[in-house]
Amino acid sequence: EPEVTQTPSHQVTQMGQEVILRCVPISNHLYFYWYRQILGQKVEFLVSFYNNEISEKSEIFDDQFSVERPDGSNFTLKIRSTKLEDSAMYFCASSGGLAGGRNIQYFGAGTRLSVL
Amino acid sequence: AQSVAQPEDQVNVAEGNPLTVKCTYSVSGNPYLFWYVQYPNRGLQFLLKYITGDNLVKGSYGFEAEFNKSQTSFHLKKPSALVSDSALYFCAVRDAGNFNKFYFGSGTKLNVKP
Repeated sequence: EPEVTQTPSHQVTQMGQEVILRCVPISNHLYFYWYRQILGQKVEFLVSFYNNEISEKSEIFDDQFSVERPDGSNFTLKIRSTKLEDSAMYFCASSGGLAGGRNIQYFGAGTRLSVL
Repeated sequence: AQSVAQPEDQVNVAEGNPLTVKCTYSVSGNPYLFWYVQYPNRGLQFLLKYITGDNLVKGSYGFEAEFNKSQTSFHLKKPSALVSDSALYFCAVRDAGNFNKFYFGSGTKLNVKP
């Protein structure tokens, strides 16, 4: 079964550094998402992306965050200057192009970001 | 504002017994409701969804969920629990007008004991 893959599985960085989290969505999907889950808390929506632009973003997704689909397969989340509170598990998801397929989002295993 | 609530942090059940994991929702318009399961070190896996139609929806691994509009609930059920069902379960909702954003509950840890 096709799956969403995320790399790395664990990223450790110093506060103030830039990080890029990488995702390879399912190949024929058209909609891409990032979520985060702070330890012990609920999964929170960050951003959705379609047709090479952001279609929606949450209040968490401020100017420190950006997303990009640099080629036909990767979807990246960049945090420009990490803060301690950015420490969380970050999930990438994708969904298909048909009306029914859009409804189901498929998730990667996540990247655990630890900001020291 | 859209939201879901999972009132139980943890549910314990013996193998072979029926299980219920509770979820209530708040949404403007018609709800699209989902259940996802998360095994250790894995991403969220889709279990089932309700969009329209029968209130009882069947999903993967023998799970089902009942949509109750009057109680704004979408409880996850299984007639006979397995030890391998032990995992973290998330309820999610999005409204009919905006497919981009899912709102997840805080998760319920299901422990199935042999």
